[in-house]
Amino acid sequence: KQEVTQIPAALSVPEGENLVLNCSFTDSAIYNLQWFRQDPGKGLTSLLLIQSSQREQTSGRLNASLDKSSGRSTLYIAASQPGDSATYLCAALTSGTYKYIFGTGTRLKVLA
Amino acid sequence: KAGVTQTPRYLIKTRGQQVTLSCSPISGHRSVSWYQQTPGQGLQFLFEYFSETQRNKGNFPGRFSGRQFSNSRSEMNVSTLELGDSALYLCASSSGTGSNSPLHFGNGTRLTVT
Repeated sequence: KQEVTQIPAALSVPEGENLVLNCSFTDSAIYNLQWFRQDPGKGLTSLLLIQSSQREQTSGRLNASLDKSSGRSTLYIAASQPGDSATYLCAALTSGTYKYIFGTGTRLKVLA
Repeated sequence: KAGVTQTPRYLIKTRGQQVTLSCSPISGHRSVSWYQQTPGQGLQFLFEYFSETQRNKGNFPGRFSGRQFSNSRSEMNVSTLELGDSALYLCASSSGTGSNSPLHFGNGTRLTVT
């Protein structure tokens, strides 16, 4: 059974800092891994999707990597800004069941 | 392109009542999935519909049901509401095929059961 874990649960950093969010999954048989951000009381916004055959994806200041063999994905945010404050969730699309399993998220606060 | 639309945004119901939530996916998307989000349990998968057929199901009681129409719009129904059903219900759409099909979420329906 796929389990997805995100550590830390919360993170507070000063503006301008580069930071890394972690996502671990127990079953490496995945189709893809997707990163989202969620603002309070809102739905999830898709940030990056990495297919299982890929190692990384980039969009602006965001870079996501995938290492299936170790069951890990990281989301790198460069030069963080207060507008980056949100909860970040990862989700793995598991082979066989074709279901997305979500992590519990990392709540990020970027201080001005 | 319009995003995923969920209605209503907020609902207040009493224990024992039933409720229907609606989701309109992005045009051209054939897959609609539903999730329940609570502070204690996080995001939990309810079910997914693809071309009007339930393709996947989570571990929720039979009080939770759904359907999808020929235009891909989907509804979710919860009968005999319990206090524990209070949550943010999120709908997501995707093309539903292949590994390069991201999920797109609506803003959710906040259900409060009193």
